[in-house]
Amino acid sequence: GENVEQHPSTLSVQEGDSAVIKCTYSDSASNYFPWYKQELGKGPQLIIDIRSNVGEKKDQRIAVTLNKTAKHFSLHITETQPEDSAVYFCAASMGSNYQLIWGAGTKLIIKP
Amino acid sequence: DAGVIQSPRHEVTEMGQEVTLRCKPISGHDYLFWYRQTMMRGLELLIYFNNNVPIDDSGMPEDRFSAKMPNASFSTLKIQPSEPRDSAVYFCASSKQGAVNQPQHFGDGTRLSIL
Repeated sequence: GENVEQHPSTLSVQEGDSAVIKCTYSDSASNYFPWYKQELGKGPQLIIDIRSNVGEKKDQRIAVTLNKTAKHFSLHITETQPEDSAVYFCAASMGSNYQLIWGAGTKLIIKP
Repeated sequence: DAGVIQSPRHEVTEMGQEVTLRCKPISGHDYLFWYRQTMMRGLELLIYFNNNVPIDDSGMPEDRFSAKMPNASFSTLKIQPSEPRDSAVYFCASSKQGAVNQPQHFGDGTRLSIL
């Protein structure tokens, strides 16, 4: 079945620097790739998503890139701020299958 | 608009007791998902519904777990009898139906502790 691997498990960056989180997926039929941010005591919240017909998508300081050939996608956060500290999850799903296969999560720590 | 609403936010009970978790999805959403989150296993999909009908319950760990969706605005996840290993955060999420996958919107979860 589909598998999603996420790296690193923990990422510590200086405030103002960029952060990159990477995920790989196993099923080439996957065509939807959302990223979620989870703050302490809260549920995961969608921050950006990308579909397989697009290679890159940006939303202010956040961007996601997708390499279908290599079957990996990445989250890029520029000019990191303290409020970016959270756990980030990648996920993947196929076609009309609404199930998401989740990565294990990355704890992002922004150092002041 | 109100998001996904879960209750209770915290539940502490003794093993053997029945536990009922509740979820109100976003109005107009056709899909409802129940997840369990633990440090060891991450986010696990337990069951999901489409238009109130259970579609896939293969993630439900044991017969002690059951879920219902009697109408479009309410779902329950029940554990009977509860065990300490059921301690986790349980999330409900909902999404619209569309030609392509739509984002899932999560509630803030129920933190369940079984003593």
